[in-house]
Amino acid sequence: GENVEQHPSTLSVQEGDSAVIKCTYSDSASNYFPWYKQELGKRPQLIIDIRSNVGEKKDQRIAVTLNKTAKHFSLHITETQPEDSAVYFCAATSTGFQKLVFGTGTRLLVSP
Amino acid sequence: DTEVTQTPKHLVMGMTNKKSLKCEQHMGHRAMYWYKQKAKKPPELMFVYSYEKLSINESVPSRFSPECPNSSLLNLHLHALQPEDSALYLCASSPNGGLSTDTQYFGPGTRLTVL
Repeated sequence: GENVEQHPSTLSVQEGDSAVIKCTYSDSASNYFPWYKQELGKRPQLIIDIRSNVGEKKDQRIAVTLNKTAKHFSLHITETQPEDSAVYFCAATSTGFQKLVFGTGTRLLVSP
Repeated sequence: DTEVTQTPKHLVMGMTNKKSLKCEQHMGHRAMYWYKQKAKKPPELMFVYSYEKLSINESVPSRFSPECPNSSLLNLHLHALQPEDSALYLCASSPNGGLSTDTQYFGPGTRLTVL
């Protein structure tokens, strides 16, 4: 089955810096890659996603890149703000039916 | 209504109790999911319903019993749980019955404590 690895597990940056979180997946048939942000005690919220026919997608300060050959995708956050502090999960679909397999999460801390 | 809702927000139960978690969405989504999330871990899939039929059971113990009475409602019936079942239980839904490129939208979760 699908396996998703995520790095780093924690990331501390200063406000205004950029943050990059990387994920690798094992199933070459995976075709959907969402990123969720989860604040303490809250629900996972979709912040951006990418499908396998696209290499890069951007939404204001957030971007995701996908390299299908290398089987990895990354989340880029520019001009970080304290409210970006949260746990970020990458995920990938498994083959066949939609089963989201999550990475282990990255705790992002943005210091003012 | 553009959200998934879950009740109750918190639940404390003994190991001999029977309780139910409820999830509701009015977005016309045709797939609904139950996930379990332990502290500092990612969500783990438990069950998937597609068009009100159970399509995935991730080898979940029978003390957890899902039910999908209609396309808007999803229940999780709990019986004889163990303390290690204490976790955040998340419901999610997606539009097209679970297509591999569908976005899943999560509810706020029920924080379950088993004593």
